[in-house]
Amino acid sequence: KQEVTQIPAALSVPEGENLVLNCSFTDSAIYNLQWFRQDPGKGLTSLLLIQSSQREQTSGRLNASLDKSSGRSTLYIAASQPGDSATYLCAVETSGSRLTFGEGTQLTVNP
Amino acid sequence: DTGVSQDPRHKITKRGQNVTFRCDPISEHNRLYWYRQTLGQGPEFLTYFQNEAQLEKSRLLSDRFSAERPKGSFSTLEIQRTEQGDSAMYLCASSPWGSGRTNTEAFFGQGTRLTVV
Repeated sequence: KQEVTQIPAALSVPEGENLVLNCSFTDSAIYNLQWFRQDPGKGLTSLLLIQSSQREQTSGRLNASLDKSSGRSTLYIAASQPGDSATYLCAVETSGSRLTFGEGTQLTVNP
Repeated sequence: DTGVSQDPRHKITKRGQNVTFRCDPISEHNRLYWYRQTLGQGPEFLTYFQNEAQLEKSRLLSDRFSAERPKGSFSTLEIQRTEQGDSAMYLCASSPWGSGRTNTEAFFGQGTRLTVV
C-alpha cells in the first residue's frame, strides 16, 4: 500500500526566505507526482506535475524535484511572500489511476 | 470552460437524510474522481470514472454511497442515511487520460463541505 509522508507538518518563515518542503513515498512504482496548494476551506490548486521519467519541473518561483528510486520529492519556494501562506500537498499517482496524498505542510509566511 | 465545478459548495443536513452532490469536470477530460477530505488530513480516494464507466471504488465507499456518471460528462455522488462521520469536504477532480497521453494532471474543484448535524 502506497504511503506518502510530508515533512514538516507546519512551517513559519519570514517573508523573502527560500524554503524547501519534503515529500516521501513508500512505493517507487509511480506514474507521476503532483504538488498542490490548498487555501483554508477551498479546493486544491495544481502547482506542478512531475512525470515518473522526469527529475524536476519549474514554474515561476517554484521548483519541484523527483528522485523516484529513493521515493522522495522536494518543493522549493524562492523568495517567499505572505501570499504563499497555504497548505501544500504532495500526491503520487500509481498505475495511472488514484492519487495518494500526504497530510500536507501548513506554510505561514510572515510579513 | 473555466475548470471543475461542484455544487453545492456547502450542505448542512440532519442525520439520516440523503444528500446528493454534483460535479462538472473540465469538458475534454474523460476521467473523473471523487475524494473525501477531513480536517487536517490529505484527501482520500473514493472512486473514479473513465467516461461513464466506474472503474474503481475505495473500501471507504460504503453501500450508503453511490456515484454515477451517466453520460460520461457530469457526475453525482449520493450519500444515503447520512451519519455524523460523513461530515467532510467532498472533492471532485478530472484529468485527461488515454492511449499515448503523458500528461495526466488532475484538476480539482472547490469542493462541497458537508456537515451532518
